[in-house]
Amino acid sequence: DAGITQSPRHKVTETGTPVTLRCHQTENHRYMYWYRQDPGHGLRLIHYSYGVKDTDKGEVSDGYSVSRSKTEDFLLTLESATSSQTSVYFCAISEYTGELFFGEGSRLTVL
Amino acid sequence: SQQGEEDPQALSIQEGENATMNCSYKTSINNLQWYRQNSGRGLVHLILIRSNEREKHSGRLRVTLDTSKKSSSLLITASRAADTASYFCATDRNDGNNFNKFYFGSGTKLNVKP
Repeated sequence: DAGITQSPRHKVTETGTPVTLRCHQTENHRYMYWYRQDPGHGLRLIHYSYGVKDTDKGEVSDGYSVSRSKTEDFLLTLESATSSQTSVYFCAISEYTGELFFGEGSRLTVL
Repeated sequence: SQQGEEDPQALSIQEGENATMNCSYKTSINNLQWYRQNSGRGLVHLILIRSNEREKHSGRLRVTLDTSKKSSSLLITASRAADTASYFCATDRNDGNNFNKFYFGSGTKLNVKP
């Protein structure tokens, strides 16, 4: 299995609070991604990174920010969580081959 | 809007039968991939087909790609109960600005009955 660790795996928080999800990889892959998965929507790309400090928006980036200060870490931040951001968040990594390797997901509930 | 859409949304078959899932997409691509997701788990890569390929095989999996119709199909032959999972296609966009940026469809939920 690809070395991808997401933390926390489960989190319950209240509307308006900040939340940071962390993705850590040990594969030294260049590309890192954050997706959210909701019933009926499949996986939707939030942000992705193509190198240290190089990030770009995905389909559903509003309300989310990301940072990548090291190759191995990609952080997803919800500055002020809303109930619509209740979801399962997946981190993925890839190299130039294009194959994505996924983490096990982080389940976030915003009350 | 999503780049890829799978069809059907759900499929129920008997063990031993073949399962076919389809994926349609909207813009030209560099490659198309299929992934599998067991309940409560992350996605696992199954197969990648490039835009200049028409068919690819991997074990019991057969993938076809028709770029003129912007569609792909995934065939699982001689299905097993362990194939029960959701299957997703993922595409990139060949527009020069989105290298290695992948978009997923909503998935096909496959149930293989023993």
